[in-house]
Amino acid sequence: DSGVTQTPKHLITATGQRVTLRCSPRSGDLSVYWYQQSLDQGLQFLIQYYNGEERAKGNILERFSAQQFPDLHSELNLSSLELGDSALYFCASSAAPNRDTEAFFGQGTRLTVV
Amino acid sequence: GESVGLHLPTLSVQEGDNSIINCAYSNSASDYFIWYKQESGKGPQFIIDIRSNMDKRQGQRVTVLLNKTVKHLSLQIAATQPGDSAVYFCAGGRGVSNFGNEKLTFGTGTRLTIIP
Repeated sequence: DSGVTQTPKHLITATGQRVTLRCSPRSGDLSVYWYQQSLDQGLQFLIQYYNGEERAKGNILERFSAQQFPDLHSELNLSSLELGDSALYFCASSAAPNRDTEAFFGQGTRLTVV
Repeated sequence: GESVGLHLPTLSVQEGDNSIINCAYSNSASDYFIWYKQESGKGPQFIIDIRSNMDKRQGQRVTVLLNKTVKHLSLQIAATQPGDSAVYFCAGGRGVSNFGNEKLTFGTGTRLTIIP
């Protein structure tokens, strides 16, 4: 158990809908990262938050957004969903602000868009 | 853009043998690399990392080799065990900042199967 909790584990929704994925980082970790994993793209970095503020942005679509709350949990919002958004979404957290090589991953949320 | 890829999508190794998983990267500015292991139904798990100022780093039963000349790195797993069966990803990053906001680029992974 990495200590990173993601909910829900599975999500099935229709195209055009909006969903929210939740991540609770390890206790004490200030940095949260979101990744998308699809079969043909591997793991793609989406966005990083550190202590409530956005720190880095990767290949995140405009239809997607995220935030980190004062209690450090984070949410990834996916809207106007398309079939191609079906993927595993991982959250990771790290303690040390200057290294993300020690990031710990949650078990992921499997999103299926039908 | 930066890309990190793997030579082989699958690898089967006899239990007890050593395995070598290879990875190539395109961005010579990448200054560190990480290997992750992902078991079925789980998130990636950090195995070992290496900075570009090193060419070899050893962990417990694992060794990572970095060849910057040909932009290639490998993960060697000694005396493989059934629990080593997983997908292994290499990831590269650059520009270590004070806030750890390096954007890691991941390869698509190699599925390692240990044959009993």
